[in-house]
Amino acid sequence: DGGITQSPKYLFRKEGQNVTLSCEQNLNHDAMYWYRQDPGQGLRLIYYSQIVNDFQKGDIAEGYSVSREKKESFPLTVTSAQKNPTAFYLCASRAGDPFSYEQYFGPGTRLTVT
Amino acid sequence: EDQVTQSPEALRLQEGESSSLNCSYTVSGLRGLFWYRQDPGKGPEFLFTLYSAGEEKEKERLKATLTKKESFLHITAPKPEDSATYLCAVQRNNNDMRFGAGTRLTVKP
Repeated sequence: DGGITQSPKYLFRKEGQNVTLSCEQNLNHDAMYWYRQDPGQGLRLIYYSQIVNDFQKGDIAEGYSVSREKKESFPLTVTSAQKNPTAFYLCASRAGDPFSYEQYFGPGTRLTVT
Repeated sequence: EDQVTQSPEALRLQEGESSSLNCSYTVSGLRGLFWYRQDPGKGPEFLFTLYSAGEEKEKERLKATLTKKESFLHITAPKPEDSATYLCAVQRNNNDMRFGAGTRLTVKP
């Protein structure tokens, strides 16, 4: 079955540690996205990538970093510079069709930093 | 500034009691409006895309409509399994999808 996988489902870290969240897709989609979701707020875009080896900052990129070395993979690193890292993180992908904008989401990773 | 506002924040219905969720937007150059369903602790599930005013889409008990300023998600004779948070999003350009905060729907048996 085609889809998007995120791992792990739950992640716990101590303050000051960097942590990397995994996102893999086998939909052959060109574009991939990372969002953050906090209670009572809409999803906010962290980073996105339209093609391999290229990515752009979203609205809240500070304290995060990404890489796109393979079409299937778009890992997100939450660095110690991110002031409020505890959140639900969602990865999404979109086909390259210029007339089709729907994004498809993975199951999410809940990160708790104490 | 472009905005997406969903109302109400929460809605409680009895099973079979039809209602509508609202998504109002202020955005220039709308390329599409999207509805998603999100269950607790899970990723959003794509429901509909609407591209132009007057367009309607249906899926089981759900029907989405679009005007120049807002979209409605109509729920006809809802069942408890329709309980979820429904998210609205608008697409402005190729990579800028902006989400509303969602409407949390609870359907009681």
